[in-house]
Amino acid sequence: NAGVTQTPKFQVLKTGQSMTLQCAQDMNHEYMSWYRQDPGMGLRLIHYSVGAGITDQGEVPNGYNVSRSTTEDFPLRLLSAAPSQTSVYFCASSIGGGEGNQPQHFGDGTRLSIL
Amino acid sequence: DAKTTQPNSMESNEEEPVHLPCNHSTISGTDYIHWYRQLPSQGPEYVIHGLTSNVNNRMASLAIAEDRKSSTLILHRATLRDAAVYYCILRAPFYNTDKLIFGTGTRLQVFP
Repeated sequence: NAGVTQTPKFQVLKTGQSMTLQCAQDMNHEYMSWYRQDPGMGLRLIHYSVGAGITDQGEVPNGYNVSRSTTEDFPLRLLSAAPSQTSVYFCASSIGGGEGNQPQHFGDGTRLSIL
Repeated sequence: DAKTTQPNSMESNEEEPVHLPCNHSTISGTDYIHWYRQLPSQGPEYVIHGLTSNVNNRMASLAIAEDRKSSTLILHRATLRDAAVYYCILRAPFYNTDKLIFGTGTRLQVFP
C-alpha cells in the first residue's frame, strides 16, 4: 500500500521557471491538500480539494495553481518560481466529508529550492 | 479558528513516560483534538484524536480535561524514535473539508 506519493523528492529551479509537483494517493480519498513548511515553522495550507473537479484556496495560495481531474492525483503548479517559494511541500489526503474526526495521511515531501 | 498553545520543547529519557501538554481555552463544543508528529525529514504522521473522552491506541494515549480547555498526549515509554515535533490541532467539522491548521508544535528530545 503506497499511501501518498510525492514526486520529485528534491528540485532546484531558477527564478521565473515553472514546474509541477506531483501528488498521488491510492486510498480512494476524496480530500487532498497541499502544504508548505518553511524552516522552523509549522505547515501552512496552500490549496485543497474535496473531490475531483473541486478545488479551493488555503492560507497561502498566491503563486500556485492546482487542478483535480481524478480522485487519485492532485498536482501543484508553480507558474513563475520565486525565491520566496523555497520550501518543503507536503501533500496530504483523507477520506473527507468534513466530520473533523478523520486522520490525514501525508507524503514524504518535495524539497524545493529557487535560486 | 480556535488556537492551541504548546511548549516549544521538552526532554525525556528513553523508556520514561512523556506527557505533552496542550492548551486550547477557546475550543468549541464540536472541535476534535488531534495530535500529529513529524519526525526529522518526514511528513507529519497522525498519532491520535479525541472529542471528550480519553483515548488510547497503539502509539499513545490522549487525556482530555473535563472542561476540554486542555489535553495531554501521553507516550507511555519514550523511545529514541519518538524524538519529533508534536502538533496539537483542533479540527472543527467544516462542511466537506478536512483542513488542518498547524502551530509550531513541541519539539521532543529523547536521551538514551
